[in-house]
Amino acid sequence: DVKVTQSSRYLVKRTGEKVFLECVQDMDHENMFWYRQDPGLGLRLIYFSYDVKMKEKGDIPEGYSVSREKKERFSLILESASTNQTSMYLCASTGAGGQPQHFGDGTRLSIL
Amino acid sequence: GQNIDQPTEMTATEGAIVQINCTYQTSGFNGLFWYQQHAGEAPTFLSYNVLDGLEEKGRFSSFLSRSKGYSYLLLKELQMKDSASYLCAVRGDFSGNTPLVFGKGTRLSVIA
Repeated sequence: DVKVTQSSRYLVKRTGEKVFLECVQDMDHENMFWYRQDPGLGLRLIYFSYDVKMKEKGDIPEGYSVSREKKERFSLILESASTNQTSMYLCASTGAGGQPQHFGDGTRLSIL
Repeated sequence: GQNIDQPTEMTATEGAIVQINCTYQTSGFNGLFWYQQHAGEAPTFLSYNVLDGLEEKGRFSSFLSRSKGYSYLLLKELQMKDSASYLCAVRGDFSGNTPLVFGKGTRLSVIA
C-alpha cells in the first residue's frame, strides 16, 4: 500500500512565524502535491512537483513556497504565517501514467 | 477553463441506493476519479474511469460518458458508514504530473 506521511496532524502557530509542513511518500512517486481544503471551497492546489528540485505553482501559491530536495519528501513553507492560512493541508503523491493520487492524513493548521 | 459540478449535499436512507452526479468541463480529459472523504480525514480513492461505461466495485459503481462530460457514482445497500463527502476529480492528461481538478464534493448523509 502507498503510504503518504505528513509530519503533524494538528499544528498551532502564531502570526508572522515561518511554518514548515513536511510530507514523505514511500512509493518512489515522481509527482507530489500540496492542497488546502476549506469548507465550501473544496480542495485547492497550492504547489506541485514532478521531479526533484522541480516545482510548479498551483491555483493559490501566494504566501507559500515549497522544497523538494529528495524524491520522497515535499515540504510546504509558509514564509510568514497569517490567520487566513488557517486550514486543513493535504499532501498527495502519484506515479507516472493514470494512477490515482494518494493522500496523507492531513495537517490541521491554526494560525493565531 | 476547468469546471466540475456536483451537488453540495444529499440525504439517503440506510439500505437504499443513491446516485451522485458529476459534470465536468475541462481543457483536456484523461480520466475521472471518485474519492471518499470522512469528516476530518484524508480523501481515499474509490474508482477510476477513463473509457465510457460502468465500472463496478462491490457496492460502489461509477459511470462515465465522455461525450456528455458526465459521471455518476452509485452506492448500493447504503450503510451508516457511507456518510461522507464524495469528491469527483478529472485528470487533463495521462502523464501523471498534471494535477487533478477536484469538484467541491457532495456531502452524503445516510439516515436510519
